[in-house]
Amino acid sequence: DAGITQSPRYKITETGRQVTLMCHQTWSHSYMFWYRQDLGHGLRLIYYSAAADITDKGEVPDGYVVSRSKTENFPLTLESATRSQTSVYFCASSPTGGNYGYTFGSGTRLTVV
Amino acid sequence: AQSVSQHNHHVILSEAASLELGCNYSYGGTVNLFWYVQYPGQHLQLLLKYFSGDPLVKGIKGFEAEFIKSKFSFNLRKPSVQWSDTAEYFCAGADYKLSFGAGTTVTVRA
Repeated sequence: DAGITQSPRYKITETGRQVTLMCHQTWSHSYMFWYRQDLGHGLRLIYYSAAADITDKGEVPDGYVVSRSKTENFPLTLESATRSQTSVYFCASSPTGGNYGYTFGSGTRLTVV
Repeated sequence: AQSVSQHNHHVILSEAASLELGCNYSYGGTVNLFWYVQYPGQHLQLLLKYFSGDPLVKGIKGFEAEFIKSKFSFNLRKPSVQWSDTAEYFCAGADYKLSFGAGTTVTVRA
């Protein structure tokens, strides 16, 4: 089915481990985004990508790494997970950014213990 | 810096009451504004959006928002809320990347 899918939906990991959250979209949208949602902070942009092989930092990029070798995939990696990275992570995509709106995935709830 | 701010952190209403949520933005140039809703345990859904034209924008589920350029505001309204409107509401603005306000939790009591 067409859409934007995130995996896994839920993840528990230990402090210090590397974990990768996956995001896949089937529309060939140019722009893709990663947000984290925390109580009292709304959604904060971690990284975004304007096209394959083009990525840039958002508001809170520290401790995260992204890549975009293919237009449809935009994985987010926590290189060494910390408890402060416990959050709900949302991926989004947009054809151009701005004018055409954004579509969000269902989110990944990550708990770092 | 481009940003969006929401004034209300938590709003509690009774069914059939009117709702208005405040949102202010600070953007230079072209501004694209959105309201999203997140029902408990779900992902974000677009309620409405403003790009240009008529400043009164109608969205889904009976919501509307008014863009007032002179006040840098994009407030969300609904004349009569239902229990099912209990959710978190986010105002957002975009040039090419979307920035969110902190969100407003709306609780509608039956």
